[in-house]
Formats: sequence, C-alpha cells, structure tokens
Amino acid sequence: QTVVTQEPSFSVSPGGTVTLTCGLSSGSVSTSLYPSWYQQTPGRAPRTLIYNINTRSSGVPDRFSASILGNKAALTITGAQADDECDYYCALYMGSGTWVFGGGTKLTVL
Amino acid sequence: QITLKESGPTLVKPTQTLTLTCTFSGFSLSTTGAGVAWIRQPPGKALEWLALLFWNDDRRYTPSLKSRLTITKDTSKDQVVLTMSNMDPADTATYYCAHRTLSYFDSWGQGTLVTVSS
Repeated sequence: QTVVTQEPSFSVSPGGTVTLTCGLSSGSVSTSLYPSWYQQTPGRAPRTLIYNINTRSSGVPDRFSASILGNKAALTITGAQADDECDYYCALYMGSGTWVFGGGTKLTVL
Repeated sequence: QITLKESGPTLVKPTQTLTLTCTFSGFSLSTTGAGVAWIRQPPGKALEWLALLFWNDDRRYTPSLKSRLTITKDTSKDQVVLTMSNMDPADTATYYCAHRTLSYFDSWGQGTLVTVSS
C-alpha cells in the first residue's frame, strides 16, 4: 500500500520561511505524480493551494510556492504570517483516477 | 463558479449502510473530463481519498475500501451518491465531495460529519 509521508508538525517564526515536504514510503515523488497541496484550518473544508506541482490556485498569494526537491515534493512559505498557521496536506495522483493523501503537517507560526 | 454540498445522515449504527449525496452546480458531469470525488477525514486525522466518478460513469475506489464503496450519479439532478456498507465506528469522519480537474481537486464541499455509534 502506498504511504505518503509528511512532517507531522513544523514551526516557523513570523516573517520566516519554511519548507514542508511530501514523500513516498518507497520510491520518489516525481512530476508524473502531479503533487497538489491543500490548506485546512480547523473545522473548515480544505482549500486548494497548489496543483500540477507548482501552479497556484486563484487567489493564493505568491509567498506560497512548490517544487520537487530531491525525491520529494515541497511546499515553501516565504514570509510566514499568523494566518498561515493551519494544516497542510499533499496529495499524489497515482494515475487512473486514484489519489493518496499525506498525513498532513500542522504548521505553527510563533 | 463551482459549488458542492454534501448531505446525508449525521448518525448511523454499526453494520448499517451509509448513503451520502453530493449536490453540485457550476459544471456538468456529462462534460468530457468531469469528475467528482469523495474524500473523508476522521476527527483529528488526515484526509483520505475514497472514490472518484468520471463523466463517462467510470469509477475508481481506494483499494482498502473498494468492497464497501459504491459511487453513482444522477446527471439530471446534478448529484453524485456514495454508499458505504457495513459501517463501523472507525468510519466516523467528515465526508467531503470535491470537483476533480485532471490530477487535483479544485473545489470542495463544506463536508458533512457522520458519526457511527449504536
């Protein structure tokens, strides 16, 4: 079974830069898995941040960016703000209309 | 503008079958390439992709739950229905439907919390 790994938690200072990663328990995350990223505040539905590796959804500020770093997908937040404190999930498209989500990263801004 | 909204029971008993409906607008599931997915999230836990229904009625399920899931559509009502059989307390979760665009989900419903308890 495919397991997508994310850091359970991460901390960043206001104004700082943080990179969250999304990996595979076995193998590498490549562009062919079309990683996407979702932001979720408690009690709310997820919001689509980034798709197709590094394309920002409409209305997402450009301080959010994504890439492939080594064998993982990565989400970078530059100039972190207080309202960036929430959960972040990556999803990998496994092909043929199937996906696997990562376990999510709880980001703290302090 | 695409909108989706989930509806269904908030409480089901163990062993019962859950039926959830996703009512959407802003797109047609008859359009080539369209798809609607179901994704769930147990309290305090991660998102889990469950199923996808394509415009052509092709269906995909997460392997671990495939035997318990059925996804169907009523194109005339702009609805997608998910049924999950033999519900267990471990299935307690918020269930979301989402519009799929190629390799990702671009619009999400607000979610509906389903509790499994006797």
